[in-house]
Amino acid sequence: GAVVSQHPSWVICKSGTSVKIECRSLDFQATTMFWYRQFPKQSLMLMATSNEGSKATYEQGVEKDKFLINHASLTLSTLTVTSAHPEDSSFYICSARDLLAGYSYEQFFGPGTRLTVL
Amino acid sequence: TQLLEQSPQFLSIQEGENLTVYCNSSSVFSSLQWYRQEPGEGPVLLVTVVTGGEVKKLKRLTFQFGDARKDSSLHITAAQPGDTGLYLCAGVSSGGSYIPTFGRGTSLIVHP
Repeated sequence: GAVVSQHPSWVICKSGTSVKIECRSLDFQATTMFWYRQFPKQSLMLMATSNEGSKATYEQGVEKDKFLINHASLTLSTLTVTSAHPEDSSFYICSARDLLAGYSYEQFFGPGTRLTVL
Repeated sequence: TQLLEQSPQFLSIQEGENLTVYCNSSSVFSSLQWYRQEPGEGPVLLVTVVTGGEVKKLKRLTFQFGDARKDSSLHITAAQPGDTGLYLCAGVSSGGSYIPTFGRGTSLIVHP
């Protein structure tokens, strides 16, 4: 149980194009999903918190117009990197919190998406 | 912003040695999770602790939650090369919006 998928697992795009990353909870419902960015050998940097049916909450310093997040259902959230540039190249990871997790507040992570912008 | 101090940041040991990773904070957490991540993959949940003083064991891994729920430790006995990876702790505070705070991570390499 508690499986989260992410698609695509890697993507290479040209500078200026937009890239959409999908995050799905496969066997549970997630009212909250998180989007992280990770640099090599570093911890996770929270970009935004996505709640189903409402606007995402972005962390300080994260451009909401550049990183568009949509959480249209209890099992799907998408991150769109608009007008991507080489500095956006990174490892993007999503996580989902089970609606029924209660006080443990556990989150389960997707396998990540490696984005390379040429 | 809550801070979760994780140490050490890097650890390189020989197979068979023991090690301990620490996560400390001045904040009280409702729960704390430990994850292990391998290169190019997402973090995998190892354990969740919620009760002060709680000790959980997962084979050669022992997790402890401090009595005041402000700190936690992960102890690995007789480390093996398969334990190599990035270990992350994450705490969730009851006083906020339940957004997890991650430690900086501990990069562990176990040499055969």
